[in-house]
Amino acid sequence: DTGVSQDPRHKITKRGQNVTFRCDPISEHNRLYWYRQTLGQGPEFLTYFQNEAQLEKSRLLSDRFSAERPKGSFSTLEIQRTEQGDSAMYLCASSPGQAGRPYEQYFGPGTRLTVT
Amino acid sequence: AQKVTQAQTEISVVEKEDVTLDCVYETRDTTYYLFWYKQPPSGELVFLIRRNSFDEQNEISGRYSWNFQKSTSSFNFTITASQVVDSAVYFCALSEVQTGANNLFFGTGTRLTVIP
Repeated sequence: DTGVSQDPRHKITKRGQNVTFRCDPISEHNRLYWYRQTLGQGPEFLTYFQNEAQLEKSRLLSDRFSAERPKGSFSTLEIQRTEQGDSAMYLCASSPGQAGRPYEQYFGPGTRLTVT
Repeated sequence: AQKVTQAQTEISVVEKEDVTLDCVYETRDTTYYLFWYKQPPSGELVFLIRRNSFDEQNEISGRYSWNFQKSTSSFNFTITASQVVDSAVYFCALSEVQTGANNLFFGTGTRLTVIP
């Protein structure tokens, strides 16, 4: 039984560099979510995909952030020109949900980003 | 607007004591779902329970039980006979059916420490 996986688990980068994270959801889950969690806070929604379509983005997702899910399977989240405020844990979750039926979301281990 | 409040930031109990974690939510949606997740020190969020707004029956699963009361907009979580392995941060979350994404709105979490 394979759960949601994320790569890398940790990333340290210098301010101004670009970074890319990958998420592999549970197979057959058509919904994929990205969240960001800062210290002492709960996760905050960034964006979600229904299959390969990105259907919603949070206001937290500035234009430096871009996410893709090219074939409706794995997803990538890229941050361009990183800033120290981007330091956080980036969580990916997948769900078998359909519209109007919020199924439970299964989370990956997260990618911890540190921007120096 | 939706909101989830977990007023207890940190709780410490001695092993075998019972403990209740509080969750109060706000939503304008008449149909919604409530969730509890556990985040152990390893960092991965673990799904515990999902309840929909039409089902106010309390639920018990082993040492865990949940009390959902729409009249007070609360969804409290009780751990009976706590164990050291219960030490974690617990998050309550809300998902509204009206939002197509069905993304989760999390509270700020309650850190539970079980002292042996």
